[in-house]
Amino acid sequence: QVQLKQSGPSLVQPSQSLSITCTVSGFSLTSYGVHWVRQSPGKGLEWLGVIWRGGSTDYNAAFMSRLSITKDNSKSQVFFKMNSLQADDTAIYYCAPGYDAMDYWGQGTSVTVSS
Amino acid sequence: DIQMTQTTSSLSASLGDRVTISCSASQGISNYLNWYQQKPDGTVKLLIYYTSSLHSGVPSRFSGSGSGTDYSLTISNLEPEDIATYYCQQYSKLPWTFGGGTKLEIK
Repeated sequence: QVQLKQSGPSLVQPSQSLSITCTVSGFSLTSYGVHWVRQSPGKGLEWLGVIWRGGSTDYNAAFMSRLSITKDNSKSQVFFKMNSLQADDTAIYYCAPGYDAMDYWGQGTSVTVSS
Repeated sequence: DIQMTQTTSSLSASLGDRVTISCSASQGISNYLNWYQQKPDGTVKLLIYYTSSLHSGVPSRFSGSGSGTDYSLTISNLEPEDIATYYCQQYSKLPWTFGGGTKLEIK
């Protein structure tokens, strides 16, 4: 049974960075890629990027300059980091394993960017 | 970026109805189209991948079809637990993009 546990802050100061850890169980990170998607009221669902099973990454060009996705296969953890957050980055951030789809979704991390 | 359009933002139907939700792409996406369901509590699930393949555990009343730029999701016999918002998503080209969603309500 696939399980996803996300951990990260609920509040981030403007211009600061956001770090979220996605801990997976029920499958190996060497078998699945892990996508990151966010949902905000103003922009709906946005695909942010993916770390593939081999460790390579693809990012949405709109976020490439401030986004980093890495992982530790041995700990079954994927690490999401976005820099220079602003108010319009307020959203629910999801990790979602899969290859040609986001097969499974976590509950998401609700993040508010505010001072 | 490929724009995904779900022209119907909300839809009202009766239990037992056959419901079709449409999605169009700004260019051909060669059937690289997935459908997701988001429940009112925020839970998101994959329903259909590659236009018409049913994801594991998804009831057979859900089906998908389409080609080129136009795709659809059909629920053959609407049940109460189908109340949700449905999103299409293309993976033909990066960045992957989603439609704006169609909210399904009970009449």
